[in-house]
Amino acid sequence: GQQVMQIPQYQHVQEGEDFTTYCNSSTTLSNIQWYKQRPGGHPVFLIQLVKSGEVKKQKRLTFQFGEAKKNSSLHITATQTTDVGTYFCAGQAAGNKLTFGGGTRVLVKP
Amino acid sequence: DAGITQSPRYKITETGRQVTLMCHQTWSHSYMFWYRQDLGHGLRLIYYSAAADITDKGEVPDGYVVSRSKTENFPLTLESATRSQTSVYFCASRTGYNQPQHFGDGTRLSIL
Repeated sequence: GQQVMQIPQYQHVQEGEDFTTYCNSSTTLSNIQWYKQRPGGHPVFLIQLVKSGEVKKQKRLTFQFGEAKKNSSLHITATQTTDVGTYFCAGQAAGNKLTFGGGTRVLVKP
Repeated sequence: DAGITQSPRYKITETGRQVTLMCHQTWSHSYMFWYRQDLGHGLRLIYYSAAADITDKGEVPDGYVVSRSKTENFPLTLESATRSQTSVYFCASRTGYNQPQHFGDGTRLSIL
């Protein structure tokens, strides 16, 4: 079945630094979604990418969808303590199901 | 999101008992999902439903039963709970294909 891998599993970042988390699917996707889960909370939708090569920005977050629609990345610039949490990518191929990656847990050092 | 609620928020039970987790959404979303979240495994899909009276298995359905007699409710039942089913369970809903999912606050279930 479809698999979605995310790396790294953990990311320790100094406040103010940039980092990137990567997502790779075993199959071509129709769309990819990103979610953020704060500690003790539930996943919250951030963004959806649909087109090959698409790039979207939300303030300090930049999301990219690969040309082959099998990979994606999330880049955060000037990390803040409010960025703490786990970021999940979720890919949708044919069918109704989203397949979630294992998540990147982000810890920020002040 | 206030539109999707899960109950109970916390539950402790014993192995072999039946337990039902409730999920209710007020948006009339067609699709509803149940996930479990365990350390190191991310979110794994248990069951989902595309509409009332239509359900389908996800990645880890064994030991679980679902029903969807009404659009707004999607209960998840553990027929005979096992310790391996100790987890955080999230319900989610969405309007249609290619749409974002909205998650409930989760149920933290411990099976002793």
